[in-house]
Amino acid sequence: EDQVTQSPEALRLQEGESSSLNCSYTVSGLRGLFWYRQDPGKGPEFLFTLYSAGEEKEKERLKATLTKKESFLHITAPKPEDSATYLCAVQAWDSSYKLIFGSGTRLLVRP
Amino acid sequence: GAVVSQHPSRVICKSGTSVKIECRSLDFQATTMFWYRQFPKQSLMLMATSNEGSKATYEQGVEKDKFLINHASLTLSTLTVTSAHPEDSSFYICSALQGQEQFFGPGTRLTVL
Repeated sequence: EDQVTQSPEALRLQEGESSSLNCSYTVSGLRGLFWYRQDPGKGPEFLFTLYSAGEEKEKERLKATLTKKESFLHITAPKPEDSATYLCAVQAWDSSYKLIFGSGTRLLVRP
Repeated sequence: GAVVSQHPSRVICKSGTSVKIECRSLDFQATTMFWYRQFPKQSLMLMATSNEGSKATYEQGVEKDKFLINHASLTLSTLTVTSAHPEDSSFYICSALQGQEQFFGPGTRLTVL
């Protein structure tokens, strides 16, 4: 069964304190792994798609990496406005483009 | 690009009434859209896949007669919650598929009294 597990469940950082969020997955043929950011009461905002092991993508203070078993979202020198829930999702080749989501990591960055 | 809207953003209705939620892709055409619901502090749960011009595909455990989906054009899908009850209160989110990526709407908060 395809599955996505995110850790930690919640993370508190001081402004400027870099850290990483983990997304472990098992899937029957990975088509893509997706990272989204969700603010309270809003829909998820697309961040990255990763397709193959070894791939990396960056956007401002965020960098996503992918291996055959997990993905990391690295946050460098975070700011309070980076506070949000970060969702990881996988898409399998035989899934008709459906996404399987992890439970998310709630990030709080204190000034 | 890849902007998806939902309407309404919030709706309060009485038990037993029906509520329609619209999902529109504003700057691209989407033959496939998805409907999710999300409970507080939980992740997104896929309800159904909406395909333009054909019947929706529902996930296991989702009542197709209660959650009616219509995808009549390449930019619009609607979700109608029929005979709503308090347990249907939730945050409903749609997404539209562009390439392999899903872009999400802002969500609709449904409260059934």
